[in-house]
Amino acid sequence: GENVEQHPSTLSVQEGDSAVIKCTYSDSASNYFPWYKQELGKRPQLIIDIRSNVGEKKDQRIAVTLNKTAKHFSLHITETQPEDSAVYFCAATSNQAGTALIFGKGTTLSVSS
Amino acid sequence: GAVVSQHPSRVICKSGTSVKIECRSLDFQATTMFWYRQFPKKSLMLMATSNEGSKATYEQGVEKDKFLINHASLTLSTLTVTSAHPEDSSFYICSARARGSPLHFGNGTRLTVT
Repeated sequence: GENVEQHPSTLSVQEGDSAVIKCTYSDSASNYFPWYKQELGKRPQLIIDIRSNVGEKKDQRIAVTLNKTAKHFSLHITETQPEDSAVYFCAATSNQAGTALIFGKGTTLSVSS
Repeated sequence: GAVVSQHPSRVICKSGTSVKIECRSLDFQATTMFWYRQFPKKSLMLMATSNEGSKATYEQGVEKDKFLINHASLTLSTLTVTSAHPEDSSFYICSARARGSPLHFGNGTRLTVT
């Protein structure tokens, strides 16, 4: 089955700096890679996703890159703000019916002002 | 957009009792729903895949007799924690996906077993 590794587990940055979180996956059949932001006690919220036919996707301050050959994908947050502080999870899955999302262990991002 | 409703949001029960958690897809049909468990400061761990009209598929290490899953209709899956113990205290989250859409999560259920 799929295995997703995520690094770092914690990340502290100053407001305005960039933050990068990296993930690797094991199953070459995986072709959908979402990123979730989770605030304490709340459900994960999808912030951006990428499919394997695309190498990069950007949405305002957030971007995701995918290297299918190397089986790794990364989340980039630019101009970080204190409200970006949360736990971020990467995940991977395939299009096969009934295939669940497998999550990385999460990264706790702290943005200090 | 697709919405997944989960109920209850919080439940406190005594050891030895059973607790049922409901997960509903409100505006789409979900032949498959997924149940995750999340311990404090940990990731979401897949417990089982709930299949409408058939038995759930459990992940390794998850006791199927303890965590009963029923997916009786295309819009409802239930997770029953039987004979709950304090170590079952956790955050349980269901999810479902409409065809061609990203996975949508319920709001989660915070279970506390005393």
